Amino acid sequence: DFQMTQFPSTVSASVGDRVTITCRASQSISTWLAWYQQKPGKAPKILIYMASTLVSGVPSRFSGSGYGTDFTLTISSLQPDDFATYYCQEYNRYPVTFGQGTRLDIK
Amino acid sequence: QVQLVESGGGVVQPGGSLTLSCAASGFTFSNYVFHWVRQSQGAGLEWVALVPSDGGIKQYADSVRGRFTMSRDNSRDKVYLDMNSLRIEDSAVYYCVREGYTSGHAGAFDYWGQGTLVTVSP
Repeated sequence: DFQMTQFPSTVSASVGDRVTITCRASQSISTWLAWYQQKPGKAPKILIYMASTLVSGVPSRFSGSGYGTDFTLTISSLQPDDFATYYCQEYNRYPVTFGQGTRLDIK
Repeated sequence: QVQLVESGGGVVQPGGSLTLSCAASGFTFSNYVFHWVRQSQGAGLEWVALVPSDGGIKQYADSVRGRFTMSRDNSRDKVYLDMNSLRIEDSAVYYCVREGYTSGHAGAFDYWGQGTLVTVSP
């Protein structure tokens, strides 16, 4: 079965820190990967698609990279609004698969 | 602006049925593939089903195939999810999602509704 493994599951950080979240696909997905941010009680919001393309309006402190099976989401300097849960999603083919999520907490 | 508004959630007993609706506005509805994604309390995101832009061949997660049916009405700009033989483990917030950023390939999920809560309880 195809799998997306996302880690860490939780990360504690402070405002101004640099944070990296990783997703690993069980098979190559080229760059068919997106990243989403979800805050409590809200729907997910897309941040990045095609592994590294920033959605219009998303702050430039967010960046994505990777190809094939290994991908990262980096937040260069954490802001208070960034504390949330982040999900990766592959869309190489149907059915799409989400990572397990990474909760980003305030240290 | 793009809006997706779900309705139809509620409390139902195991074995019961429920139909979710999603009303879309602010874009050309018939151009897009739609999905349902669900999220159980405190859990991650689970893809449930998709319907192509022309309403053709739908696809379903193994966990719901044979029990759930997704459909769309391009004249009303709506998508639906008929849920039958509901189980306790189907309890979740159900999101209606538009697939965007496509270029001859499946796309990322660019717009999400606010979600509708389904609770399956004896």
